[in-house]
Amino acid sequence: DGGITQSPKYLFRKEGQNVTLSCEQNLNHDAMYWYRQDPGQGLRLIYYSQIVNDFQKGDIAEGYSVSREKKESFPLTVTSAQKNPTAFYLCASSIMPGETQYFGPGTRLLVL
Amino acid sequence: AQSVTQLDSQVPVFEEAPVELRCNYSSSVSVYLFWYVQYPNQGLQLLLKYLSGSTLVKGINGFEAEFNKSQTSFHLRKPSVHISDTAEYFCAVSENWGAQKLVFGQGTRLTINP
Repeated sequence: DGGITQSPKYLFRKEGQNVTLSCEQNLNHDAMYWYRQDPGQGLRLIYYSQIVNDFQKGDIAEGYSVSREKKESFPLTVTSAQKNPTAFYLCASSIMPGETQYFGPGTRLLVL
Repeated sequence: AQSVTQLDSQVPVFEEAPVELRCNYSSSVSVYLFWYVQYPNQGLQLLLKYLSGSTLVKGINGFEAEFNKSQTSFHLRKPSVHISDTAEYFCAVSENWGAQKLVFGQGTRLTINP
């Protein structure tokens, strides 16, 4: 089955800790995206990548970092600089930029 | 830059009643429009999209939406809802040039009562 997987489903972060959220797709899509979802605010774009070894900041990139070393993988690191990391994080991909985006099941990040 | 406003944060309806979820957008250029559905603790699933052509777009699960350029709207409708339609619905827009990033509305929670 082709699709997008995110792991873990739940993640707990301690103060001052960096954590990494995994996103993998086997759809052979060029573009990948990370969104943050907070109640009542819809989805906000954190980072996106249009092609391997390239990525761009979205609207709320501060406190986050990404890499795109392989076409199928786009991990997101939530750094200690992100002071309010509690949220639902969604990864998406599209065959190319501007085409329909397909979403993974999400990772819920909680702070201990 | 484009923006999206979903006019209702919550919409309660009775089962088998019709429903309309409203979405307005603003953009200085031509756009693509999308509706996604999110069930609790899950990712988003595409319901339908408007890219060009006919302004009435039909999607999955019996939903349809109409693009109205003069009113900059893309309202979602279903003639008869089911309990299983209970979910959050997101309208999204992207400009049809450049980076073509998706911008989402705040979401509308649809609750179906028996």
